[in-house]
Amino acid sequence: GENVGLHLPTLSVQEGDNSIINCAYSNSASDYFIWYKQESGKGPQFIIDIRSNMDKRQGQRVTVLLNKTVKHLSLQIAATQPGDSAVYFCAENISPGAGSYQLTFGKGTKLSVIP
Amino acid sequence: NAGVMQNPRHLVRRRGQEARLRCSPMKGHSHVYWYRQLPEEGLKFMVYLQKENIIDESGMPKERFSAEFPKEGPSILRIQQVVRGDSAAYFCASSPGRGAGGYTFGSGTRLTVV
Repeated sequence: GENVGLHLPTLSVQEGDNSIINCAYSNSASDYFIWYKQESGKGPQFIIDIRSNMDKRQGQRVTVLLNKTVKHLSLQIAATQPGDSAVYFCAENISPGAGSYQLTFGKGTKLSVIP
Repeated sequence: NAGVMQNPRHLVRRRGQEARLRCSPMKGHSHVYWYRQLPEEGLKFMVYLQKENIIDESGMPKERFSAEFPKEGPSILRIQQVVRGDSAAYFCASSPGRGAGGYTFGSGTRLTVV
């Protein structure tokens, strides 16, 4: 079946550097994407989302890029801090329709920030 | 405004026992979703409920698992006759309306079957 996957399972970056986490999706019907941060022992925390009618969206220190041609999503974190250390998941959603409430998650990338 | 509350945080059960996981949605949220996360995996959808109704249980195993969201009280995910393979983190999310955009996740219940 179609699913979301991640290129890099682990990523180590120096504090202050920029981080880029990648995600490939294969469901061409997906039109809404979310990045979540999950710290150890906690639930997923919303970071940023993007709809398929956009190719870029910026938040505070984070930017999500969507390339629908190659079905690729990335999360960029500027000036990475130790508090950014966590597992990051991308999730896709199909809306509207019966799948509009279901999220399909990738396996996650563990980001480790080196002080 | 408290977030999504799940309890217990950790639950240990022996094989064959029953596990009951509770989820209280955020105030004003009437849509509840349960997801399961195996170690080092992403979350997988199990069931979507509204008050007193199961909307979609397509992700839930056909046997031993059940879910409810009564008119009063929290949503309950019930696993009967647990097996080792049920060991996982179970997350509940709630939203004010139907749709993934308004999800808020709880901190999860970590079930360990020994």
